[in-house]
Amino acid sequence: GAVVSQHPSRVICKSGTSVKIECRSLDFQATTMFWYRQFPKQSLMLMATSNEGSKATYEQGVEKDKFLINHASLTLSTLTVTSAHPEDSSFYICSAPTREGETQYFGPGTRLLVL
Amino acid sequence: KQEVTQIPAALSVPEGENLVLNCSFTDSAIYNLQWFRQDPGKGLTSLLLIQSSQREQTSGRLNASLDKSSGRSTLYIAASQPGDSATYLCAVDNYGQNFVFGPGTRLSVLP
Repeated sequence: GAVVSQHPSRVICKSGTSVKIECRSLDFQATTMFWYRQFPKQSLMLMATSNEGSKATYEQGVEKDKFLINHASLTLSTLTVTSAHPEDSSFYICSAPTREGETQYFGPGTRLLVL
Repeated sequence: KQEVTQIPAALSVPEGENLVLNCSFTDSAIYNLQWFRQDPGKGLTSLLLIQSSQREQTSGRLNASLDKSSGRSTLYIAASQPGDSATYLCAVDNYGQNFVFGPGTRLSVLP
């Protein structure tokens, strides 16, 4: 079945550094990908919608200059957390719907810890 | 705006019990509804996907039902086991748009 991968699965970085997270659809093309984050003991919340060939759309309260999204191809979206701070420590997960829109597949997630 | 709620927030049961987790959503115009399992520190595992035209789906000891008109879904777990301990999330797909997740139910099955 369709698979979505994320890399890295876990990252620890110092405050002030930038971290790039990749989301790839492995055997299908995704013109849209979604990025979510989950703070401890909270549910997943949509951060932004990544659109191939155009700018991402961000949910209210999500800083677009801090969370840079690039949908470089039909199989790859990247989320860059710029100048990460401890409050950015979270679980980031992406999903990609199939072109037919029948279903979506979720990546395994990336756990970010900013020291 | 779609909102998803889940009750109970937490549940603790002895091994072997059958149990029901509840999910409610405010906008019945959904494409499908999905139940996930999330283990501590891990990603999501998809358990059951119910298309909007379906009433229920079954997989092993799990059965999920969907009543679109009332905005409800239930996840039934039969003969619970300690290995079922996890957080269970329900999420609705608004026609190929993003998923809207519920807050989850934390399940503990005691041996």
